[in-house]
Amino acid sequence: EVQLLESGGGLVQPGGSLRLSCSASGFSFSSYVMSWVRQAPGKGLEWVSGVSEGGGNTYYADSVKGRFTISRDNSKNTLYLQMNSLRAEDTAVYYCAKPALGGCSGGRCYWHYWGQGTLVTVSS
Amino acid sequence: DIVMTQSPEYLAVSLGERATINCKSSQSVLYSSYNKNYLAWYQQKPGQPPKLVIYWASSRESGVPDRFSGSGSGTDFTLTISSLQAEDVAVYYCQQYYSTPLTFGGGTKVEIK
Repeated sequence: EVQLLESGGGLVQPGGSLRLSCSASGFSFSSYVMSWVRQAPGKGLEWVSGVSEGGGNTYYADSVKGRFTISRDNSKNTLYLQMNSLRAEDTAVYYCAKPALGGCSGGRCYWHYWGQGTLVTVSS
Repeated sequence: DIVMTQSPEYLAVSLGERATINCKSSQSVLYSSYNKNYLAWYQQKPGQPPKLVIYWASSRESGVPDRFSGSGSGTDFTLTISSLQAEDVAVYYCQQYYSTPLTFGGGTKVEIK
């Protein structure tokens, strides 16, 4: 059974940093592009970032480019999102998402499985 | 960036009646070489992550009831629930995966009338 378990969320002050993790199981992690999608409270979905199977290619939304870094450790079946220079508008639930087989072309994916999400709150 | 516009924002439908949600993209998401539309639909219930309903604009995800169907091509797409059930109350989002940044529609909240 595919499982995606996010962790690392919490309350952080504006300008601060946080690292999110997504622990994956139940599938061949290193064979899939992995992504982060976020949802501000009461708002819609926003794609944040994606990383290729081997980690060599990364993709970012303009809203986080230069502040967030996506990475993965295939030996640990774990996806990461390093978030720096956090702003109030980064407050959201952050989901880790996995595509279906054949559901990605480069970083262009639709997602078959989603984690339960981890809440990041940026506030003083 | 491709802008995805959904309509309506809210939809109230009687049990057993048809629900129709529209999604329009600011440019075509049809990859003509493959003749595939890079468009997906998700269902999200309160407190839950999104659930994939439709991909490639009209392919139903495994386990999704056949009352859900997707149609359209190019820039105009529709998600239809042929006979609304109580468990279909949710917010529905369209998403294009034709190009990055990947973008979603603003969502349509479906309720029971």
